[in-house]
Amino acid sequence: KAGVTQTPRYLIKTRGQQVTLSCSPISGHRSVSWYQQTPGQGLQFLFEYFSETQRNKGNFPGRFSGRQFSNSRSEMNVSTLELGDSALYLCASSPKPSEYGYTFGSGTRLTVV
Amino acid sequence: GEDVEQSLFLSVREGDSSVINCTYTDSSSTYLYWYKQEPGAGLQLLTYIFSNMDMKQDQRLTVLLNKKDKHLSLRIADTQTGDSAIYFCAESGGGNKLTFGTGTQLKVEL
Repeated sequence: KAGVTQTPRYLIKTRGQQVTLSCSPISGHRSVSWYQQTPGQGLQFLFEYFSETQRNKGNFPGRFSGRQFSNSRSEMNVSTLELGDSALYLCASSPKPSEYGYTFGSGTRLTVV
Repeated sequence: GEDVEQSLFLSVREGDSSVINCTYTDSSSTYLYWYKQEPGAGLQLLTYIFSNMDMKQDQRLTVLLNKKDKHLSLRIADTQTGDSAIYFCAESGGGNKLTFGTGTQLKVEL
């Protein structure tokens, strides 16, 4: 069974640009969550999607958005990038919300210069 | 709001037991988790415990939960150099999200 796949693994962007990150959950998993990991703030919840609906959102500005497709794949978008957006972005999937055993992908390392 | 705290560092000798501690504030937590992160990698789920349990054992891992004190611990028996990593505890209460601790960096010395 393939794990959670995140693409790309590494990304370098310039301030002011926008970026789209992709996450393919484990087959059969319909819940996808996104987290941001930085040395200063640690792991912070961004949002969760289930059945193409955003069910919960963390405390991030509106520049951070996401969506989920009918095949459960998810994308997150960050517009008008700032230096502070440099982070490891992690995606996690589970069969359904609050199901134990969220499985994480390897993450996308975003560097904003 | 939810808050999860861990000590930052732990150093042990190979073959000894490691105990990583965590405290949390959300009494509505349903599951509590331990994740492992190696350099440059994502998070690997090690084990979890349901909030109505006191203890869970899984091979070299033992999780203890003191719900009254909101204290969670992870014991790794016979710690090996391959166990060197950052360990995160996390709780899931309401809202379908995980709240993570700051992470404990475990260093295993020969």
